[in-house]
Amino acid sequence: AQRVTQPEKLLSVFKGAPVELKCNYSYSGSPELFWYVQYSRQRLQLLLRHISRESIKGFTADLNKGETSFHLKKPFAQEEDSAMYYCALRMGGGADGLTFGKGTHLIIQP
Amino acid sequence: DTAVSQTPKYLVTQMGNDKSIKCEQNLGHDTMYWYKQDSKKFLKIMFSYNNKELIINETVPNRFSPKSPDKAHLNLHINSLELGDSAVYFCASSQGAAQYFGPGTRLTVT
Repeated sequence: AQRVTQPEKLLSVFKGAPVELKCNYSYSGSPELFWYVQYSRQRLQLLLRHISRESIKGFTADLNKGETSFHLKKPFAQEEDSAMYYCALRMGGGADGLTFGKGTHLIIQP
Repeated sequence: DTAVSQTPKYLVTQMGNDKSIKCEQNLGHDTMYWYKQDSKKFLKIMFSYNNKELIINETVPNRFSPKSPDKAHLNLHINSLELGDSAVYFCASSQGAAQYFGPGTRLTVT
């Protein structure tokens, strides 16, 4: 069965410092990977998808199939980045839902 | 506004009651989903549904049932509510891989 692991429940960094949120996955096929962000008491918003290889709000994520990782990075954290971040996997095809990691609560300190 | 919407936003009810949560999307998407976010912020797929198939997460009790009157709506019916059903329920829709989430319904069972 597919699985997504986010090892850090809580990550606290200072404003301006680099941020890396870790995500590892296990899946025997070719997954589609996503990062979602949830600001306080708001809906989940799609942040990044590995297929598009884009940068959103300064965040990037690269799929490393050898290490089965999809870490989220930002070179300089901003206070408005404080939120819950979820890594998610979709098995591809059909109407499958997303398998989420347990989330990392990112706190940016001033 | 094009979006995924849910009603009600908050729902407080007693054990044993039957309740429904409504979800509507005007994005023209083919597939809709229900997710449960527990008190530890862990997100788990409950159902995914399009006009051809319903995929049920095997861990979901049969007290939960999705009902889709048309392509734009996927309502969630819950019978005989239990304390453990207290959570935030998110509806989502997709056309392809990326999913777009509703604002959530916070269900409290007393």
